[in-house]
Amino acid sequence: AQSVTQLGSHVSVSEGALVLLRCNYSSSVPPYLFWYVQYPNQGLQLLLKYTSAATLVKGINGFEAEFKKSETSFHLTKPSAHMSDAAEYFCAVSGSGGGYNKLIFGAGTRLAVHP
Amino acid sequence: SAVISQKPSRDICQRGTSLTIQCQVDSQVTMMFWYRQQPGQSLTLIATANQGSEATYESGFVIDKFPISRPNLTFSTLTVSNMSPEDSSIYLCSVRGPGANTGELFFGEGSRLTVL
Repeated sequence: AQSVTQLGSHVSVSEGALVLLRCNYSSSVPPYLFWYVQYPNQGLQLLLKYTSAATLVKGINGFEAEFKKSETSFHLTKPSAHMSDAAEYFCAVSGSGGGYNKLIFGAGTRLAVHP
Repeated sequence: SAVISQKPSRDICQRGTSLTIQCQVDSQVTMMFWYRQQPGQSLTLIATANQGSEATYESGFVIDKFPISRPNLTFSTLTVSNMSPEDSSIYLCSVRGPGANTGELFFGEGSRLTVL
């Protein structure tokens, strides 16, 4: 079974500051990990994914995440926050190995960016 | 990626009524997934809809409350039956991305339901 824990339901940063959104996972099989972003009144958009290739994954909008097996973590970072980054961010996990695997979502982290 | 269209985008419904949400995908897909996002909450999988077979429901969700149809490989509907205010949520349709083994899903814009 898989589960995801996102530490911090709300994160606030200044424009230009580092963004760090934390995600820890639990999985009984090698996981695939994802970060999604949800802007107000919109669906979810895939930011990036880890699928057992490189442990440092680069995504859209300048975001990246590093898979650390020893820490069971997949934290999302961005060196310099922009006002347009304000949104809800969801970490998700599924089992690897192909076929049908459920995508399990964390509770989400709301990112606020202030001038 | 896949382009997913949902109707309605939002609706206000009366208690005790039912509403059907439509999901149209621009390509043929084997599996379609329906998620619920309650206010301020994360996404919870309701069911998986496969073409030509009964939908598979997750724990806590039943067919009588959330009947699903999947008549072909590009379309599905989710009905929310006998609605109560607790059903006020965003309902999201999703499909698996190309290269199904990597597991990511693509989502529609969602259908925001408010039950009075």
